[in-house]
Amino acid sequence: EADIYQTPRYLVIGTGKKITLECSQTMGHDKMYWYQQDPGMELHLIHYSYGVNSTEKGDLSSESTVSRIRTEHFPLTLESARPSHTSQYLCASSEGLGHTYGYTFGSGTRLTVV
Amino acid sequence: SQQGEEDPQALSIQEGENATMNCSYKTSINNLQWYRQNSGRGLVHLILIRSNEREKHSGRLRVTLDTSKKSSSLLITASRAADTASYFCAPLKGNEKLTFGTGTRLTIIP
Repeated sequence: EADIYQTPRYLVIGTGKKITLECSQTMGHDKMYWYQQDPGMELHLIHYSYGVNSTEKGDLSSESTVSRIRTEHFPLTLESARPSHTSQYLCASSEGLGHTYGYTFGSGTRLTVV
Repeated sequence: SQQGEEDPQALSIQEGENATMNCSYKTSINNLQWYRQNSGRGLVHLILIRSNEREKHSGRLRVTLDTSKKSSSLLITASRAADTASYFCAPLKGNEKLTFGTGTRLTIIP
């Protein structure tokens, strides 16, 4: 049902590895977001972008970085993964600002760092 | 950004019964949104109610908003097993970004 795609769906990786979580949307949305969610816990906004070459940090401090070179693509990178990065990462996009439009979420990437 | 507080934290009902969950928030809003999250998946937008609306329907969903009490409720009628999920509310004002609480975990018992 979603027009926003996240890959991989699951990832198990060793400590110290560099990883990139992919997020792509086909809706032409300018606004894109990354959330982090631990099981049974709140979602925390870690990054957002309002357009190409525009990225901002969210409410929760994160060691990850993002880029927005194309409208449809908003990847998240961890330069050196640690067990504390184990979590679910959710990407979302919206046609406009939240007070007017809802968000469309991807299915998420569940990351486990061992 | 403010987040809503969902109540109850967990709810179990028999299939076919109605489920009601509530959301409270602290400051004035422009709209309030409800989302569903199936286990281990992303969130799905269910309904958006604006601050000047009191009630909104979408299929088996009924959302109410009481801005004087800073609260909203989501009613799911004639529940089905597929409704088992976590439900989140997101109150919004201005250009805020969505923030989410811990949600209400709804379990439908067949």
